[in-house]
Amino acid sequence: DTGVSQDPRHKITKRGQNVTFRCDPISEHNRLYWYRQTLGQGPEFLTYFQNEAQLEKSRLLSDRFSAERPKGSFSTLEIQRTEQGDSAMYLCASSLGGRLAYNEQFFGPGTRLTVL
Amino acid sequence: AQKITQTQPGMFVQEKEAVTLDCTYDTSDPSYGLFWYKQPSSGEMIFLIYQGSYDQQNATEGRYSLNFQKARKSANLVISASQLGDSAMYFCAMREPGPTSAGTALIFGKGTTLSVSS
Repeated sequence: DTGVSQDPRHKITKRGQNVTFRCDPISEHNRLYWYRQTLGQGPEFLTYFQNEAQLEKSRLLSDRFSAERPKGSFSTLEIQRTEQGDSAMYLCASSLGGRLAYNEQFFGPGTRLTVL
Repeated sequence: AQKITQTQPGMFVQEKEAVTLDCTYDTSDPSYGLFWYKQPSSGEMIFLIYQGSYDQQNATEGRYSLNFQKARKSANLVISASQLGDSAMYFCAMREPGPTSAGTALIFGKGTTLSVSS
């Protein structure tokens, strides 16, 4: 399977715990995006990388959130001191680079986080 | 102001009928891209169709077509001959080039739930 993969698919944690999610993009894609989707809403942008550089972060990304893409391949998203409001689906997407508006983003299956 | 507006929370259609899902957008950039994604109950986002702001013709992909009215800033998705498997959430999204060469992420609307009945 050469699509975007995410691990784990589901995570249940207690409030205050730290969690880390992993995303493996399509191998030739140099851009990687993280989105968060709450129930009944569209995905909201969190952050994105071009190769290993984190180029943009949304205001949604509080200081409890950190993302890395150390070698320009897979990425991790860590949430420290989780809160119940962090419960959501975390989606990863990848695309080719370029300034053209058209660069289809391919999404992974998501990680569903539940904070108790 | 919302960048992407989808005013229909839910739509109901019978099999084999056509359905139009509405989307309006707001941007001041002359160069942008419009996308439609399908999200079944399993959760994955499936790309359906793309329309570039400079494209002269409406995009089509199989049973999907995009009714692009640039002056009205609308990009409605038309699904012809609906099938039971079309039941899902549908999201309209926009991407603008942005201030750097890296562009911007997708901006999504709130989505429309489509239910197809037999």
